[in-house]
Amino acid sequence: GDSVTQTEGLVTLTEGLPVMLNCTYQSTYSPFLFWYVQHLNEAPKLLLKSFTDNKRPEHQGFHATLHKSSSSFHLQKSSAQLSDSALYYCALSLGGNTGKLIFGLGTTLQVQP
Amino acid sequence: GGIITQTPKFLIGQEGQKLTLKCQQNFNHDTMYWYRQDSGKGLRLIYYSITENDLQKGDLSEGYDASREKKSSFSLTVTSAQKNEMAVFLCASSIEDSPLYFGAGTRLSVL
Repeated sequence: GDSVTQTEGLVTLTEGLPVMLNCTYQSTYSPFLFWYVQHLNEAPKLLLKSFTDNKRPEHQGFHATLHKSSSSFHLQKSSAQLSDSALYYCALSLGGNTGKLIFGLGTTLQVQP
Repeated sequence: GGIITQTPKFLIGQEGQKLTLKCQQNFNHDTMYWYRQDSGKGLRLIYYSITENDLQKGDLSEGYDASREKKSSFSLTVTSAQKNEMAVFLCASSIEDSPLYFGAGTRLSVL
């Protein structure tokens, strides 16, 4: 079946270092991939969405590239900030008009000074 | 912009109690969702509804009922609260190919 795998439950790094959060997926179709971010006591919010034309989405310094050959959509940022500390979910949508998403287990990013 | 309002923000119940969570959205979105969030388990879909009076089961529907009374509101009922249960319930909405917009959640604790 369709699934999303985020291998790291917790990533801890020092401010200024690069960030990479892993996301791989299994799908029999060509899905859309998403990254959602949830700061403490807030609602999850959309961070990035994959494009159909292989463009690389970027937002708030984060970017992710959809690699269909490796079924991956890793989240990256060149330099972590303290405010990036949050819970990050990778999710896939099979399209259609329901918008139903399948979420990974989530990765907590802790950025330390 | 729109907003999704979930009430209550905190819900404390007793074992075996029936508990109802409410969600309102003013995006005028067609589809609404209820997800359950547990630490280390991601977001799991309980129910969703693609229009008023429609209900579709998600992967975690057992033990829950839902009701889409009108386009803007979607409620979730825990039919029998389980002792020591703790979770966050997130309501969301979307339209066609738009992303999901989430509410801030209802935090449930069962004594």
